[in-house]
Amino acid sequence: EVQLLESGGGLVQPGGSLRLSCAASGFTFGSYALTWVRQAPGKGLEWVSGISGSGGSPYYADSVKGRFTISRDKPKNMVYLQMNGLRAEDSAVYYCAKASGYSYGFFDYWGQGILVTVSS
Amino acid sequence: QSVLTQPPSVSAAPGQNVTISCSGSSSNIGINYVSWYLHLPGTAPKLLIYDNNKRPSGIPDRFSGSQSGTSATLGITGLQTGDEADYYCGTWDSSLSAGVFGGGTKLTVL
Repeated sequence: EVQLLESGGGLVQPGGSLRLSCAASGFTFGSYALTWVRQAPGKGLEWVSGISGSGGSPYYADSVKGRFTISRDKPKNMVYLQMNGLRAEDSAVYYCAKASGYSYGFFDYWGQGILVTVSS
Repeated sequence: QSVLTQPPSVSAAPGQNVTISCSGSSSNIGINYVSWYLHLPGTAPKLLIYDNNKRPSGIPDRFSGSQSGTSATLGITGLQTGDEADYYCGTWDSSLSAGVFGGGTKLTVL
């Protein structure tokens, strides 16, 4: 059974940093891209970042480019989202999602989400 | 502003049929597959349709998808009260080199 479990969320001040983690299990970790998607309060889903099965070819939404870094650790079956320079508009529930393919594809499994609140 | 455009809301009575549109451009829907997701607040989004018109196992055939040019459509037949949710289309935008979603459509079953 595929499982994705996010952790690392919480309250952080504007300008601060946070690292989200996603523990993956139930599939061949290195064979699929992984993605972060967020939903701000009262807003729709927003794709944030994705990384290929090998860990190369990271992609970012313009809204987070230069501030967020996605990475993955194959031995630990983990994917991370390092978030720096956080802004109020980054407040959202962040979801980790598995892509259907090695480099991209549709999102066939999702985690339950983790809340990030950026506020002073 | 979302790259993909969906109506904010649709509504219909139980048993009726409804369609939700998703409009994009030549750099996203025009050249990449579309997927559709159902999302209830506080829960994980759920894949409904992938590759424009395919259903994952476990998704009833009341749900269908189609794509033409730079637009896609989700169809739901025989509406049930349990279908009330937010629905999102998504795809890859080759110009942006980024994933994109529609703004979401809230389905109300009256």
